[in-house]
Amino acid sequence: EAGVAQSPRYKIIEKRQSVAFWCNPISGHATLYWYQQILGQGPKLLIQFQNNGVVDDSQLPKDRFSAERLKGVDSTLKIQPAKLEDSAVYLCASTGTGSWETQYFGPGTRLLVL
Amino acid sequence: AQSVTQLDSQVPVFEEAPVELRCNYSSSVSVYLFWYVQYPNQGLQLLLKYLSGSTLVESINGFEAEFNKSQTSFHLRKPSVHISDTAEYFCAVTNNNAGNMLTFGGGTRLMVKP
Repeated sequence: EAGVAQSPRYKIIEKRQSVAFWCNPISGHATLYWYQQILGQGPKLLIQFQNNGVVDDSQLPKDRFSAERLKGVDSTLKIQPAKLEDSAVYLCASTGTGSWETQYFGPGTRLLVL
Repeated sequence: AQSVTQLDSQVPVFEEAPVELRCNYSSSVSVYLFWYVQYPNQGLQLLLKYLSGSTLVESINGFEAEFNKSQTSFHLRKPSVHISDTAEYFCAVTNNNAGNMLTFGGGTRLMVKP
């Protein structure tokens, strides 16, 4: 079974530029999460999807961050415009129906904003 | 609201020595507790979880954690560590009211020395 896929693995941009991250969850997993992990800290949930609907986005900075999961499968997280403090690893995770308690994480996208 | 505190950011230990990684949580309702491990250059993996029942839970690689409701703790232990256990360990909590969304602690870096 293939794991959670993320791309790109690394991204360097200048502040005020835009960037997008892509995630493909494990096949059949209805729930998808995006986390932000700043260096030296634990992951912080940004948004949770159930199929193509948003369950919770209360910690997503909506003035600059957006996310979508249009067909209920893969998802895109966008930052526009980026700030220096957005430098972090962006993690995607998914869970299957009936196994909510185990989140499977992708390798993450490491973003550096200069 | 729920929160997790990992009291030690780094724990150096010699190979074959015992180790305890501390985790305390705060929640006003019943909780589910998790330990995730992140090996260098890899994504987070679930190590063990407490959902209900026995307060002592074990992983397949010799780690165990005990849920202590009175102390609001979920410390992770291993009686004899290996070099391969070197990793970052994250404690996480959720509850039914949180929509099963995880709140992570800041992480503890376990450094096993030969």
